[in-house]
Amino acid sequence: DVKVTQSSRYLVKRTGEKVFLECVQDMDHENMFWYRQDPGLGLRLIYFSYDVKMKEKGDIPEGYSVSREKKERFSLILESASTNQTSMYLCATGIVGGYTEAFFGQGTRLTVV
Amino acid sequence: DAKTTQPNSMESNEEEPVHLPCNHSTISGTDYIHWYRQLPSQGPEYVIHGLTSNVNNRMASLAIAEDRKSSTLILHRATLRDAAVYYCILREGVKGAQKLVFGQGTRLTINP
Repeated sequence: DVKVTQSSRYLVKRTGEKVFLECVQDMDHENMFWYRQDPGLGLRLIYFSYDVKMKEKGDIPEGYSVSREKKERFSLILESASTNQTSMYLCATGIVGGYTEAFFGQGTRLTVV
Repeated sequence: DAKTTQPNSMESNEEEPVHLPCNHSTISGTDYIHWYRQLPSQGPEYVIHGLTSNVNNRMASLAIAEDRKSSTLILHRATLRDAAVYYCILREGVKGAQKLVFGQGTRLTINP
């Protein structure tokens, strides 16, 4: 079974802190994605990566950056956390090709106080 | 970006079939139609996908209109565990990441 593991299920951080959300996959997938999910707004794409060291902005990249130094790991970075970044963050992975499915992690619920 | 339109919510009874519709009138020839569902407090999980022909798997069936502008996810015999938000998504992009763009989805309620 494919495993997509997010480093934390719940996280509480203070405003202004630098926050790292980690996602690790064990299936050698090229594509990795970071989404955030908010009530009434659904899942919105923050960033995605289709190869090591490659990244592309999604629909809402402001306030975030990403890092992909190894194929299996995709990190989402909040340089200076703000309360409006309180959300559920979901990582997903998949191989290249619209004919294949994507796999999601369980999510990290981040609260910024 | 090609978009999908789904009803906000649907309700059905346990052990009855459920037909979840999705409109995607701007679909391109290379877009695959994917369905995912999200159970409470979990990440989305894959259900089924297809390109032109109808598809069946152990979870559901996918019926795709001949013009590909709409599709229907069919749960043949709903159980309480099928209560979730169902997302119809077009897997876009000719090459590269084929990102998944989510709409609001359909919240399915199953009555015992």
